[in-house]
Amino acid sequence: KAGVTQTPRYLIKTRGQQVTLSCSPISGHRSVSWYQQTPGQGLQFLFEYFSETQRNKGNFPGRFSGRQFSNSRSEMNVSTLELGDSALYLCASSRETSPQETQYFGPGTRLLVL
Amino acid sequence: SQKIEQNSEALNIQEGKTATLTCNYTNYSPAYLQWYRQDPGRGPVFLLLIRENEKEKRKERLKVTFDTTLKQSLFHITASQPADSATYLCALALYNQGGKLIFGQGTELSVKP
Repeated sequence: KAGVTQTPRYLIKTRGQQVTLSCSPISGHRSVSWYQQTPGQGLQFLFEYFSETQRNKGNFPGRFSGRQFSNSRSEMNVSTLELGDSALYLCASSRETSPQETQYFGPGTRLLVL
Repeated sequence: SQKIEQNSEALNIQEGKTATLTCNYTNYSPAYLQWYRQDPGRGPVFLLLIRENEKEKRKERLKVTFDTTLKQSLFHITASQPADSATYLCALALYNQGGKLIFGQGTELSVKP
């Protein structure tokens, strides 16, 4: 079974631009979560989508948004990029939206904002 | 305030010894606690999950304990090998918050031959 895939793997943007990242979950998984990882803050939860609905949201500004499609693929968007948005963005999928589910992470998209 | 802390940023041990990593949390009531391994440039990989009413879980050379009174989990790797060198992350999963995980900062383990 193919793992979680994320595209693109690397991205360089400038301040003020917007960016869209994509995540394809493992086949059969209906939940997709997004995390931001930085050296200073570690892994921080952004949001979770299940059946095309946002189920949980972390403490990030409204510039961070996401969506999920009917095939469970998900995208996240960051508008008006700031230098502090430079990070590794990780997507994770699971079968259901439940605290006992194992999360399967993708390789991440490394975003650099100049 | 709510916190989740892992014992140290880096742990160096000799091959064959047991590595013990600590995860402490405050002001959380987790339903589950999970441990992940992360290698440089890669996403975390799931290792073990333990429920709040379980004391101990084992998988091959890995063992995790969970003490909800002390609000602490210990993660042990026995007979450690250089291939075990990685960053280990603990994560809390809370009731009624779906698949959301709250991660600690991680402990970087280095196993020397």
